[in-house]
Amino acid sequence: NAGVTQTPKFQVLKTGQSMTLQCAQDMNHNSMYWYRQDPGMGLRLIYYSASEGTTDKGEVPNGYNVSRLNKREFSLRLESAAPSQTSVYFCASSLDMAGNTIYFGEGSWLTVV
Amino acid sequence: KQEVTQIPAALSVPEGENLVLNCSFTDSAIYNLQWFRQDPGKGLTSLLLIQSSQREQTSGRLNASLDKSSGRSTLYIAASQPGDSATYLCAVRNDYKLSFGAGTTVTVRA
Repeated sequence: NAGVTQTPKFQVLKTGQSMTLQCAQDMNHNSMYWYRQDPGMGLRLIYYSASEGTTDKGEVPNGYNVSRLNKREFSLRLESAAPSQTSVYFCASSLDMAGNTIYFGEGSWLTVV
Repeated sequence: KQEVTQIPAALSVPEGENLVLNCSFTDSAIYNLQWFRQDPGKGLTSLLLIQSSQREQTSGRLNASLDKSSGRSTLYIAASQPGDSATYLCAVRNDYKLSFGAGTTVTVRA
């Protein structure tokens, strides 16, 4: 019953450091997403991958890069972390980009100091 | 741009009372609407998914309605329990994009 698994769960970074958030799903889903959640802002889409081999920008892509490594894995990279990137990051997946249920991971709490 | 609003932001009720949570959206050209539950420090758990062609969906004590033309959805939770305390979010899908409301935080008092 793993579903969507994210690592790490917690991370503290210094401004300018880089890091990668890992995400894997075991539901054979085609589409995967990265969101960030900030107080009062709701969830906002950073990047998504409609299917293996494709990635596209969402609402707030600046400062991030992604890699769809294979059908299961979708990573999010912060090249040079900034305090504005302090947030909770959620990976999610769905069967496709149409009308299917979307499933979320448990979240990764990132603090940039 | 799709705007999703959930009012109220917070709600406190005594155990046993029925809960009514509201979600409104500005662009009615949606594929579907999904209700989620989020516990503190946790991810989102899907509760109900309503396709744009449907009027409502039910699962146990939960019932969600959708009025696409007026841009509204309502989540009803019957006979609330302390375990229902959580934040409830609605999200609407237009094309590839899922737009979220900020959520309603529910406290059910024993």
